[in-house]
Amino acid sequence: DAGITQSPRHKVTETGTPVTLRCHQTENHRYMYWYRQDPGHGLRLIHYSYGVKDTDKGEVSDGYSVSRSKTEDFLLTLESATSSQTSVYFCAISESGGAAGYGYTFGSGTRLTVV
Amino acid sequence: DQQVKQNSPSLSVQEGRISILNCDYTNSMFDYFLWYKKYPAEGPTFLISISSIKDKNEDGRFTVFLNKSAKHLSLHIVPSQPGDSAVYFCAASSNTGNQFYFGTGTSLTVIP
Repeated sequence: DAGITQSPRHKVTETGTPVTLRCHQTENHRYMYWYRQDPGHGLRLIHYSYGVKDTDKGEVSDGYSVSRSKTEDFLLTLESATSSQTSVYFCAISESGGAAGYGYTFGSGTRLTVV
Repeated sequence: DQQVKQNSPSLSVQEGRISILNCDYTNSMFDYFLWYKKYPAEGPTFLISISSIKDKNEDGRFTVFLNKSAKHLSLHIVPSQPGDSAVYFCAASSNTGNQFYFGTGTSLTVIP
């Protein structure tokens, strides 16, 4: 999507290794989110950020950490990848969180496979 | 606990007919609702929204209805086209919140 890019698009990694996914935006939006999408579970929030160095946990945050040192970048780290973290990961940005009149713009996703 | 629910994982509709996708929510503080559409290997894209001060919002072939007393919203697509085949997510938020809560999605197949 214009204004938001995720890298890498695909990654295969081994169990127990650390993995970092990157989300980069050029929209100067305050809010950034990491979701994972799994069959039967839809989109589940992992972590989100409401400003530089301001982050909070979502519903499935165990095993994940995030960092936001600049407005434009939001990193998701799997400290020690497990097979249960095999998923498609989406980053999203928003000007104003959940406020009316504003929605999310999503990235194209990162397909992560942990073997 | 799932605050937004889409109880139909899949739906098949004939081309030209109406598609109705349903969504229920539990949090009475939710006052803004979105529908997203997702094609395989792509990120979700915004489709249509509605705020709690309205009970209907229309955009071309897409109409969203909100029943606040029942905590229910629905997306109507008329007429359905094969290009509408995708996964549809509903999402809800409260004006004081920091996030949207998403349903589990409904996979729509429009049969030519």
